[in-house]
Amino acid sequence: QLQLQESGPGLVKPSETLSLTCTVSGGSISSDDYYWGWIRQPPGKGLEWIGSIYYRGSPYYRPSLKSRVTMSVDPSKNQFSLNLSSVTAADTAVYYCARHARRHAYSTFDLWGQGSLVSVSS
Amino acid sequence: DIQMTQSPSSLSASVGDRVTITCRASQSINSYLNWYQQKPGKAPKLLIYTASSLQSGVPLRFSGSGSGTDFTLTISSLQPEDFATYYCQQSDSTPETFGQGTKVEIK
Repeated sequence: QLQLQESGPGLVKPSETLSLTCTVSGGSISSDDYYWGWIRQPPGKGLEWIGSIYYRGSPYYRPSLKSRVTMSVDPSKNQFSLNLSSVTAADTAVYYCARHARRHAYSTFDLWGQGSLVSVSS
Repeated sequence: DIQMTQSPSSLSASVGDRVTITCRASQSINSYLNWYQQKPGKAPKLLIYTASSLQSGVPLRFSGSGSGTDFTLTISSLQPEDFATYYCQQSDSTPETFGQGTKVEIK
């Protein structure tokens, strides 16, 4: 059964770059059927989609974050990654990776990792 | 961006109650509306997609309806494990956006 697991530092200093990796197990990231996405949730608040990427590349990002976000994928390691630059306290959140099922008829985040809390503080 | 507004923001209900949560989009999203359940400290779980299609493994007491701008999630008979926060999400256009959530609490 497919599982996703986020990993990365739990604390990042302001103005630095937040880096997270999602490892996919129990299945291949190299599926024609899915994108792979990142969603975040500030403490006590709602959900915000950050971006999604296909195993062959072709990332697309939330426009408001586009200037600071880079996503990449490593099929050989069954991993995909998120970099968010120039972070501030407003970027403090639980970061989730998720499988993004994009079809002609629908688009859903149908499997999620457990989440990784990243705090931005000096 | 399409704004998604849920109501109410929270509600109190008893086991066995019928519960209805509403989600309104700032413009038409056809039927590109998903519902998720999130329990404290856990990741969201997909319940319903395309407004009314039940995700595999989700109990039949959950149902969804609506199209255009107005959507509803209904729990026909609330169970103890259903106390959680529920989010709607539109997938009609990028960026995909979520509602602010509806917390269902025990009365």
